[in-house]
Amino acid sequence: QSVLTQSPSASGTPGQRVTISCSGSTSNIGTNFVYWYQQFPGTAPKLLIYRNDQRPSGVPDRFSGSKSGTSASLAISGLRSEDEADYYCVAWDDSLSGVIFGGGTKLTVL
Amino acid sequence: QVHLVQSEAEVKKPGASVKVSCKSSGYTLTSYGIGWVRQAPGQGLEWMGWITAYNGDTNYAQKVQGRVTMTTDTATSTAYMELRSLRSDDTAVYYCARLYGDATFDYWGQGTLVTVSS
Repeated sequence: QSVLTQSPSASGTPGQRVTISCSGSTSNIGTNFVYWYQQFPGTAPKLLIYRNDQRPSGVPDRFSGSKSGTSASLAISGLRSEDEADYYCVAWDDSLSGVIFGGGTKLTVL
Repeated sequence: QVHLVQSEAEVKKPGASVKVSCKSSGYTLTSYGIGWVRQAPGQGLEWMGWITAYNGDTNYAQKVQGRVTMTTDTATSTAYMELRSLRSDDTAVYYCARLYGDATFDYWGQGTLVTVSS
C-alpha cells in the first residue's frame, strides 16, 4: 500500500475537465514538492508536472498541478482520447528519506 | 537530444545478481543524477534509489538497501544498477531516468525487463 494515496481509476468524456487527487501526509506532500508522471502501457513514464505546478516544455497547458496542505491534484481540461493513461503522483518523504510514488490512477476517456 | 539507452532483458535464477546498464548521451552525465525506478508486472512504479554522477553519492530505498549498488562510469557516460540475491518479486521492468533537483526525472530509458525464475 502506497504512502501517497490515489484513486485507482478516473474517467471523463472528451472535452471534460478531470481532476486526479493524491493524498499524503506532513512528511511528504505537506513539506515537499509534488510531481506528476504520465505513463502509457508498455512505455516509460513521462514527466508531466514538477515542483507542484510547473510544466516542462512541451506539456500542454491543459495539464495543471496544485497542492494544498497534505494533498495535491492534477487537473486535465479539454480531455482528449490520447490522455487515456496511468498517472502517478510523487514526492520526497522525510520519514522514509526516499522518494515515494502514489499507487497510480488509470484514466479512461469514455 | 538527451537519450538514455538501457541494456537488454535478462532472465535470472533466484539468488543470482543482475546488472543493468544505462548509457546517456546528449548531455554531461556529471551535471545530473541518475535515478532508478522499477515496475512489477501490472503494478505501479517504485523508486529504488539514485546516484549523483559527479561524486558518486548514492541514496537507496529502504526496501532494496543492502542488495543494490548504483554506480556510474563517467568515461562512457554509463550508469549501472546491480541487484543481488534476486527473488521472484524482483521481477520487473527497471527504468533509469535523468534526475535533477529532488524528484524531477525528466528523461527516461526505455526500460529493462528482469525476470527472476527458477
